[in-house]
Amino acid sequence: AQKVTQAQTEISVVEKEDVTLDCVYETRDTTYYLFWYKQPPSGELVFLIRRNSFDEQNEISGRYSWNFQKSTSSFNFTITASQVVDSAVYFCALKGGSYIPTFGRGTSLIVHP
Amino acid sequence: DAGVTQSPTHLIKTRGQQVTLRCSPKSGHDTVSWYQQALGQGPQFIFQYYEEEERQRGNFPDRFSGHQFPNYSSELNVNALLLGDSALYLCASSSQGGRRGDTQYFGPGTRLTVL
Repeated sequence: AQKVTQAQTEISVVEKEDVTLDCVYETRDTTYYLFWYKQPPSGELVFLIRRNSFDEQNEISGRYSWNFQKSTSSFNFTITASQVVDSAVYFCALKGGSYIPTFGRGTSLIVHP
Repeated sequence: DAGVTQSPTHLIKTRGQQVTLRCSPKSGHDTVSWYQQALGQGPQFIFQYYEEEERQRGNFPDRFSGHQFPNYSSELNVNALLLGDSALYLCASSSQGGRRGDTQYFGPGTRLTVL
C-alpha cells in the first residue's frame, strides 16, 4: 500500500520568508514517481514538479526547490522569499506500481504581506 | 492551447438524485482520470479512462460510473446521491495512456453539493 504524509496542516509566514513543506512517503515499489501540485483558492490543481525514484538530484526552478532523499523517503519543497501569491494548498503525490496516485492531505500555506 | 475544462462549475442536488459531470481533456491528451476531493482532504482517485474503457478504479462504489467518448472527453455519473458525495470533483488528463510516469493536468473542478 502507498501512503503520503504531509504532517504540516497549515503554515503561516510573512512575505520574503523562506518556507519548507514536508512530504514523507511509503511504498514497496522500487520504481515510483513523486509529484507536487499547488491548489489556489480557485480549486484547480497546478502541476509543479515530477520526480522518478531513480533521480535523486535536487531541482531548482526560480524561487522553488525540491529535495528528494530516498534514504528518508522524503520529497520536501522549499519556497525562497515567499510572496503573497504563493498562498495556496500544496499537495504531494506518489504513483507506484498500482498506477493509482496517492495524494497527501495537503499543506495550507498562508503568506502575509 | 486549451487546458482541461469541466462543466458545470457548481451543482446542487438532493439525496437520491443522479448527476452527470463533464470533462474535456487538454489538447493532445487521450487519458482522463476523475478524483473526488472532500473539504480539507487530498484528491481521492475514482477511476481512469483510456481508449473508451475504464482502466483503473479506486475504492468507490458502483454508484460511480463513467464514460469516455471517441474525442477523449469524459463523463462522471453518480447515482443515488448521498450527503457524503458533496465534494469537489476534479478531472485530470494525460497523454501516456495512464502509464506510471504520466503527468496529469487538472481542470478547475465541479463543486457538487448534495442537500
